[in-house]
Amino acid sequence: TQLLEQSPQFLSIQEGENLTVYCNSSSVFSSLQWYRQEPGEGPVLLVTVVTGGEVKKLKRLTFQFGDARKDSSLHITAAQPGDTGLYLCARLPHNQGGKLIFGQGTELSVKP
Amino acid sequence: NAGVMQNPRHLVRRRGQEARLRCSPMKGHSHVYWYRQLPEEGLKFMVYLQKENIIDESGMPKERFSAEFPKEGPSILRIQQVVRGDSAAYFCASSQNLQETQYFGPGTRLLVL
Repeated sequence: TQLLEQSPQFLSIQEGENLTVYCNSSSVFSSLQWYRQEPGEGPVLLVTVVTGGEVKKLKRLTFQFGDARKDSSLHITAAQPGDTGLYLCARLPHNQGGKLIFGQGTELSVKP
Repeated sequence: NAGVMQNPRHLVRRRGQEARLRCSPMKGHSHVYWYRQLPEEGLKFMVYLQKENIIDESGMPKERFSAEFPKEGPSILRIQQVVRGDSAAYFCASSQNLQETQYFGPGTRLLVL
């Protein structure tokens, strides 16, 4: 089974703090996606990382794909209350069509 | 260009009733995926359809659940004889081609009393 383990499961921080969430797997994946889901809404794609060692930035969000392509991290600088939400990593397994496999998510709460 | 639309957004059913969830993909998208999000669990794949064809239903329970994506009209996820354990958020996603970005709808929250 190609599981994705996310940590931490819950994170509650104050506005202005930095944080990192992790997504790990025992198997190599060809690409990995990060989504953000707000309460009552569907997931919204933030980024897709493809190359081992790749780093992508989206404003205050920095996404990194591990060199071995088995892990990824999302770092948020100077978190704001608007960053509150569920952060999900997901992968498309090889030869299994469009079936996305999601991690369990990290529930982030940023308090003003 | 409207995004993926799902209706209803909220659905309440009593045990034993049928639930019909609708999904209209983004314009130009012919690939539709259904996922279920149970409380305290992540999103789990249920079924992948392309116009008029079920491509992969490996995540769908064998009984009571069915899905279709007719030539005309929205994709339908149908749950017969609902039980309390079916209470969850059901999300539909669509993509233009296989392996391309999937865009998610806002979900239908099903509550079975």
